[in-house]
Amino acid sequence: EVQLVESGGGLVQPGGSLRLSCAASGFTVNNNYMTWVRQAPGKGLEWVSVIYGGGGTYYADSVQGRFTISRDNSKNTLYLQMNGLRPEDTAVYYCAREASLDYWGQGTLVTVSA
Amino acid sequence: EIVLTQSPDFQSVTLKEKVTITCRASQSVGSNLHWYQQKPDQSPKLLIKYASQSISGVPSRFSGSGSGTDFTLTINSLEAEDAAAYYCHQSSSLWGTFGGGTKVEIK
Repeated sequence: EVQLVESGGGLVQPGGSLRLSCAASGFTVNNNYMTWVRQAPGKGLEWVSVIYGGGGTYYADSVQGRFTISRDNSKNTLYLQMNGLRPEDTAVYYCAREASLDYWGQGTLVTVSA
Repeated sequence: EIVLTQSPDFQSVTLKEKVTITCRASQSVGSNLHWYQQKPDQSPKLLIKYASQSISGVPSRFSGSGSGTDFTLTINSLEAEDAAAYYCHQSSSLWGTFGGGTKVEIK
């Protein structure tokens, strides 16, 4: 059974850093197209970043240069390193699998506030 | 960036009524367009992939159509459990994007 479990969210001050994790089971992260999506409180879904099976990575303009997506094949886990956090980064962060985003995690809340 | 424009933003519908939600792309995405349902305090759930492909476990009243720039999600005979927000998403570009969402309320 495919499962995705995010962790690492929390309260952080503006300018701070967090690393989100997305532990996968039932499939191999290394061979898959994995995406981070976020949702600010009361707002819609926002695409954040993707890592392709071949390792290519892409970012939304709003996070380019501050966020880094990566994966650890030995732990079958996807990561999102977030630096230079801003109040507008406050959101629930989800990881999802495949181009069609066929499976989603439960999300982890990131709050950026002084 | 490919912009996806959904309409309407909000729809109030009676039970058993047919619901149609549209998603228009700013440039062709081929069939690389997917639909999701999100209920309050839940993660999004894939309803339709690649414009019209059904998903195992999703009720048959949900269907998708379209290609290129114009897409439609149809809910035939709305049920109470279908009250939710619906989003389209394109995976044609290296940078994905979502539509703004459509909230469906039961009248």
